[in-house]
Amino acid sequence: DVKVTQSSRYLVKRTGEKVFLECVQDMDHENMFWYRQDPGLGLRLIYFSYDVKMKEKGDIPEGYSVSREKKERFSLILESASTNQTSMYLCASKPTGQHSYEQYFGPGTRLTVT
Amino acid sequence: GQNIDQPTEMTATEGAIVQINCTYQTSGFNGLFWYQQHAGEAPTFLSYNVLDGLEEKGRFSSFLSRSKGYSYLLLKELQMKDSASYLCARPGDSNYQLIWGAGTKLIIKP
Repeated sequence: DVKVTQSSRYLVKRTGEKVFLECVQDMDHENMFWYRQDPGLGLRLIYFSYDVKMKEKGDIPEGYSVSREKKERFSLILESASTNQTSMYLCASKPTGQHSYEQYFGPGTRLTVT
Repeated sequence: GQNIDQPTEMTATEGAIVQINCTYQTSGFNGLFWYQQHAGEAPTFLSYNVLDGLEEKGRFSSFLSRSKGYSYLLLKELQMKDSASYLCARPGDSNYQLIWGAGTKLIIKP
C-alpha cells in the first residue's frame, strides 16, 4: 500500500513564527503536492514538485515555500506564519505516467496560527 | 473556465440511495475522479471515469457524460459510515494537477 505520512496531525504556532510541515512517501513517486483545505473552498494547490529539487507554484503560493532535497520528502515552509494560514494542510503524491492521475494523500496537518 | 460545481450538503436516510452530482466546464478532458473524505481525515480514492457511462463498484457507482460535462456518484444501501464529504476532481492542463470541487457533505440519518 502507498503510504504518505505527515510530521504532525495538529500544530499550534504564533503569528510570525517560521513553520515547517514535513511529508514523506514510501512509494518512490516522482510527484508530490501540498494543498490547503478550507471549508467551502475545497482543495487548493500551494506548490508541487515533479522531481528532486524541482518545484512549481500552484494556485496560492504566496506566503509559502517548499523544499524537495530527497525524492521521498517534500517540505512546506511558512516563512512568517499569519492567522489567515490557519487551515488543514494535505500532502499528496503520485507516480509519473500518462494515465497516472490518482493522488495519494497523507492524513493532514491541522495548523492553527494564533 | 475550470469550475467544478457540486452541492454543498445533502442528507439521506440509512438504507436509501443518494446521487451526488458534479458538473464541470472545460474544453479538454481527461477523466473525472471521485474521492471520499471522512471528517478530519485524508481524501481516499473512490473512482475514476474516463469514458461515458456507468461504472459500478459494489454499493458505489459513478457515471460520466462528457458531452454534458456531468458526473454523478451513486451510493446504494446507505450506511452510517458513508457520512463523509465526497469530492469530485478532474485533471488540470498539466499531467500533474487535479482541479477539485469544494466537496459535498453527505449526512446519513437513521
